[in-house]
Amino acid sequence: EVQLVESGGGLIQPGGSLRLSCAASGLTVSGNYMSWVRQAPGKGLEWVSVIYSGDSTYYADSVRGRFTISRDNSKNTLYLQMNSLRAEDTAVYYCAREAGGRYRYDYWGQGTLVTVSS
Amino acid sequence: DIQMTQSPSSLSASVGDRVTITCRASQTISTYLNWYQQKPGKAPNLLIYDASNLQSGVPSRFSGSGSGTDFTLTISSLQPEDSATYYCQQSYRTLRTFGQGTKLEIK
Repeated sequence: EVQLVESGGGLIQPGGSLRLSCAASGLTVSGNYMSWVRQAPGKGLEWVSVIYSGDSTYYADSVRGRFTISRDNSKNTLYLQMNSLRAEDTAVYYCAREAGGRYRYDYWGQGTLVTVSS
Repeated sequence: DIQMTQSPSSLSASVGDRVTITCRASQTISTYLNWYQQKPGKAPNLLIYDASNLQSGVPSRFSGSGSGTDFTLTISSLQPEDSATYYCQQSYRTLRTFGQGTKLEIK
């Protein structure tokens, strides 16, 4: 059974940094396209970033230069390092596996809430 | 970036009704279009991928169609548990994008 478990969310002041983790079981993060998707309170889904199995990374314009996606293959864990946080980064952050072929998010974590506020 | 526009933004329908939600892409995306259902406080759940393929375990009352720029999600006979928000998402470009969502309520 595939499980994705996020952690690391919390309350952080504007300008601060936070690192989110997504521990995977039932799949290998190194062998899959793994993404972060966020959802601001009461709003829709917003794609944030992806890391390909070949190590290429991509980011939404809203976070490029501030966020970094990475993975630790030995821990089978995906990360999102978030720097220079802003109030508009407040959201539930989900990690998700993107199945190959006709790409789609077939496995999601439960989400972790990040609140950026002074 | 490819913009995805859903309509309507919200709708209310009765149990047993046939419901259709549309999604339009700002440029052609072939059939690289997925549909998700999200209930309050939960992660999204994949319903349809590649525009018309039903994800395993999803009830057959859900179906999808379309290609190019125009797509539809249809629920053939609405059930109480279908009350949720529905999102389309394109996977044609590396920078993925979602529609703004359609909130479906049961009368």
